[in-house]
Amino acid sequence: NAGVMQNPRHLVRRRGQEARLRCSPMKGHSHVYWYRQLPEEGLKFMVYLQKENIIDESGMPKERFSAEFPKEGPSILRIQQVVRGDSAAYFCASSPLTDLYGYTFGSGTRLTVV
Amino acid sequence: AQKVTQAQTEISVVEKEDVTLDCVYETRDTTYYLFWYKQPPSGELVFLIRRNSFDEQNEISGRYSWNFQKSTSSFNFTITASQVVDSAVYFCALSEARAAGNKLTFGGGTRVLVKP
Repeated sequence: NAGVMQNPRHLVRRRGQEARLRCSPMKGHSHVYWYRQLPEEGLKFMVYLQKENIIDESGMPKERFSAEFPKEGPSILRIQQVVRGDSAAYFCASSPLTDLYGYTFGSGTRLTVV
Repeated sequence: AQKVTQAQTEISVVEKEDVTLDCVYETRDTTYYLFWYKQPPSGELVFLIRRNSFDEQNEISGRYSWNFQKSTSSFNFTITASQVVDSAVYFCALSEARAAGNKLTFGGGTRVLVKP
């Protein structure tokens, strides 16, 4: 029973490129959350998704960031035209419908913008 | 709005000393969950404990113990007889039951350095 799988573990992008971060939730988990951890800071909520629905995107920057959780396949966090300030660790968590607070976190994707 | 404060940014101890990490939270909700996570140097988040607001019993798990005081809105974490492997950043987090999306609000973290 694999945990939450995030890939890639490390991603390097040049300024202006696009970054795609993938998250496969635990088997049986229908709720996915994305968090961002800037260097030397705590984690900040970005977005909460269920299959084909964005439930809460109050933590998402207004521009360049988008997230989806399609009916089939992993959840994707997409950052367009990356800037240096996007360099951070991005964590995905999932939880089941039967225990919404039973979060399981992935190992994170470390994005470096050069 | 929910808020979590970890006033200690860094604590340095010598092995076998006890260390207590403070966590103070703010919420308007009567039903909420509190969490502690450990982030070792490798970077992943390790779940340590979850406690709901109706369960004020303190908990002990090996060398770890937690003191939940609703009256002071605190959920402190103690490591007894610390070891070098305890060196990590520790995060306290809160999730309100009423909040849309069950999102977690994290404190800023406390870095614990255990010296041999």
